[in-house]
Amino acid sequence: EDQVTQSPEALRLQEGESSSLNCSYTVSGLRGLFWYRQDPGKGPEFLFTLYSAGEEKEKERLKATLTKKESFLHITAPKPEDSATYLCAVQGNAGGTSYGKLTFGQGTILTVHP
Amino acid sequence: KAGVTQTPRYLIKTRGQQVTLSCSPISGHRSVSWYQQTPGQGLQFLFEYFSETQRNKGNFPGRFSGRQFSNSRSEMNVSTLELGDSALYLCASRAGTGTTGELFFGEGSRLTVL
Repeated sequence: EDQVTQSPEALRLQEGESSSLNCSYTVSGLRGLFWYRQDPGKGPEFLFTLYSAGEEKEKERLKATLTKKESFLHITAPKPEDSATYLCAVQGNAGGTSYGKLTFGQGTILTVHP
Repeated sequence: KAGVTQTPRYLIKTRGQQVTLSCSPISGHRSVSWYQQTPGQGLQFLFEYFSETQRNKGNFPGRFSGRQFSNSRSEMNVSTLELGDSALYLCASRAGTGTTGELFFGEGSRLTVL
């Protein structure tokens, strides 16, 4: 069974203080690792997809990286508007059927203080 | 381009009743997935539909069902509601016909069961 563990559960940063969020995973046949941002009362907003170890993607102050066992979401010089819950999810290939099924971690609640 | 639209956004039901939630995917997306999000369990996969066919199903009881129409719109139904069914129900759509690719989520339908 696919598993995703995110750490830390909560992270408080000062504006401009860079940091990283961790996503450890176990999956049989990784088809993709996904990062989402979720604001309170809203649905998850897609950020990145990573498919293979060594892959990196960037968007504004965010950079996602992938190894065979974990992924990191690096936040450079964060702003208060980056405050949200960041979710990591994997799509595996268990049983050869993975249509639409992502396994999510519990998320990291990020708070950026001005 | 309009995103995923879910209706209703909020609803309150009592135990034993049934509920139907609706989802309109992004134009051109034919795959629709449903997820349940609760504080304790996080995001959990319910089922996925493509071309009016259920291709995948998560570990939920038979009280949870869904369908997809020829225009790719989808509905999910929960019968004989229980208190534990209180959750945010999220619909997501995906482009393409294969098994891999990012999901784009709607804002969700928040169900409260009293």
